[in-house]
Amino acid sequence: QKEVEQNSGPLSVPEGAIASLNCTYSDRGSQSFFWYRQYSGKSPELIMFIYSNGDKEDGRFTAQLNKASQYVSLLIRDSQPSDSATYLCAVLANQAGTALIFGKGTTLSVSS
Amino acid sequence: DAGITQSPRHKVTETGTPVTLRCHQTENHRYMYWYRQDPGHGLRLIHYSYGVKDTDKGEVSDGYSVSRSKTEDFLLTLESATSSQTSVYFCAIREPGQGTDTQYFGPGTRLTVL
Repeated sequence: QKEVEQNSGPLSVPEGAIASLNCTYSDRGSQSFFWYRQYSGKSPELIMFIYSNGDKEDGRFTAQLNKASQYVSLLIRDSQPSDSATYLCAVLANQAGTALIFGKGTTLSVSS
Repeated sequence: DAGITQSPRHKVTETGTPVTLRCHQTENHRYMYWYRQDPGHGLRLIHYSYGVKDTDKGEVSDGYSVSRSKTEDFLLTLESATSSQTSVYFCAIREPGQGTDTQYFGPGTRLTVL
């Protein structure tokens, strides 16, 4: 059974701080990794993806991947109250894979 | 927003009745997916389609069937709804990309089975 694990939180950070969200996965053959943001009552919104070891930056967001440790993380710099949401980690087992396997999500709360 | 719509957006029905949810996309994507989202379980795949009339089961397919007679429409049917199928249902499409394909979600359908 392929699994994706996330700390459910809530993770609370003050405005302007760095929020660090973590995810581990069980399938060593996993190829691509995704972070979705989901506001309450809304659908998941793709914010980052990464498929190579190392860091990938997009604005205030940085995704980090370490395939040897089976670990992927999302850093949010200069956190804003509007970043308060649930963040879902998802894994694609292989490029011919059918669908994503999701973690249960981490709730982030940014206080002003 | 990847041109995905879902209908209805909200539905309340009674145990034992059939229910059909519709996902419509406007951008000719080959792959379409149905997920359900429940507290404590996250998003789980019900069924997916890789082309017209080509579908396959996901992790939680029992009690559900799907059909895809046109590229743009993917239907999810609950033949006889049960209270355990109360959930939020999301449709998704898969978009080819450089390095990896990505999935985008529709707005969701909140289904309550009484």
